[in-house]
Amino acid sequence: EVQLVESGGGLVQPGGSLRLSCAASGFSFDDFAMHWVRQSPGKGLEWVSGISFNGGSIGYAESVKGRFTISRDNGKNSLYMQMNSLRVEDTAFYYCAKHSGEWYSSSADFFDSWGQGTLVTVSS
Amino acid sequence: QSVLTQPPSASGTPGQRVTISCSGSTSNIGTYYVYWYQQLPGTAPKLLVYRNNQRPSGVPDRFSGSKSGTSASLAIGGLRSEDEADYYCTTWDDSLTGWVFGGGTKLTV
Repeated sequence: EVQLVESGGGLVQPGGSLRLSCAASGFSFDDFAMHWVRQSPGKGLEWVSGISFNGGSIGYAESVKGRFTISRDNGKNSLYMQMNSLRVEDTAFYYCAKHSGEWYSSSADFFDSWGQGTLVTVSS
Repeated sequence: QSVLTQPPSASGTPGQRVTISCSGSTSNIGTYYVYWYQQLPGTAPKLLVYRNNQRPSGVPDRFSGSKSGTSASLAIGGLRSEDEADYYCTTWDDSLTGWVFGGGTKLTV
């Protein structure tokens, strides 16, 4: 059974940094692309970033480009998101999601498993 | 506002059929597959329909997806109280070079 467990969320001041982690199990982690998707409380879903199976291809939403950095460690079955220069509007639940294929940009594949999310609150 | 347009709400009575629309453009729905997710309160999204009209195993055939041009639809037949949830469409967008979601539709039964 696929399991994705996010951690690292919390309260941070505007301009601060946070590092999210996602521990994966139940599947061959290095065979699949991974994503971060966020959801502000009471709002809709927003794709944040994706990374290919080998880390060689990466993409970001315009709203986080230059501030967030996605990475993965296939040896540790883990996905990460380094979040810098945080803004109030970054407040959201951050979900780790598994892609059903190798490349995060493959439209023939999709988000087939999700974690339960970790809450990031940016406030002074 | 979202790149993909969904009605913010929809409603129906038990047993009825309801349809939720998702409107986009040639850079997203017009070119790529559409996927639908169901999000029950307080839980993570769950895949309902993939590649426009395919259902994962375990999803009842009451749920069906379709796509025409730059729009897609999710139909839910034989409504049940447990169908009360938020529903989201998503696809790849060429112009934004990223995944885009609809704003979500809150279904009330």
